Amino acid sequence: NAGVTQTPKFRILKIGQSMTLQCTQDMNHNYMYWYRQDPGMGLKLIYYSVGAGITDKGEVPNGYNVSRSTTEDFPLRLELAAPSQTSVYFCASSTNTEAFFGQGTRLTVV
Amino acid sequence: AQTVTQSQPEMSVQEAETVTLSCTYDTSENNYYLFWYKQPPSRQMILVIRQEAYKQQNATENRFSVNFQKAAKSFSLKISDSQLGDTAMYFCAFMKQRGNQGGKLIFGQGTELSVKP
Repeated sequence: NAGVTQTPKFRILKIGQSMTLQCTQDMNHNYMYWYRQDPGMGLKLIYYSVGAGITDKGEVPNGYNVSRSTTEDFPLRLELAAPSQTSVYFCASSTNTEAFFGQGTRLTVV
Repeated sequence: AQTVTQSQPEMSVQEAETVTLSCTYDTSENNYYLFWYKQPPSRQMILVIRQEAYKQQNATENRFSVNFQKAAKSFSLKISDSQLGDTAMYFCAFMKQRGNQGGKLIFGQGTELSVKP
């Protein structure tokens, strides 16, 4: 049982480049989330989705885009990467009683 | 909008002693869950304990228990008989419920707990 799978695990981007962080889950959860975690800080919600075709902004959506074409996949797109987007990114999916997390992606923008 | 606040950035406890981590939240919702997650240095997020808002009885999982005060919007975590493996960052989290399928999930800032031998 794979759970929530994120790729890549590590990435270095140059300022102004774009990339997509991939996230897929095999638990048939409707709710999926993207968070960023800065060093020593909590998880801040970037975007979340309540099901295929439905997404909504979280606390820190600027500079990011998402889509949810299937129940399984919830990619996060960074356009025009900036140093402020250097962080660890977590994808998660949930039932009403528990959230399941991917292993995280460490992104550095230089 | 919901908010979750953890006012203790760092705490330490001696092995085998008891420690309490604080969490407060703000919401106008009636139907929600509260969680404590543990994040060790591996970055993995591990569910420690959860509490349903409509249940008055405090949740307990082995050495972990909560003190849920709904009117005060307080949700503290007590760790008894602390072990070295409890050293980690602990996050309080709030999930509002939409039916039985979950909802928006937000986290507090975290408390870094060190258990000392």
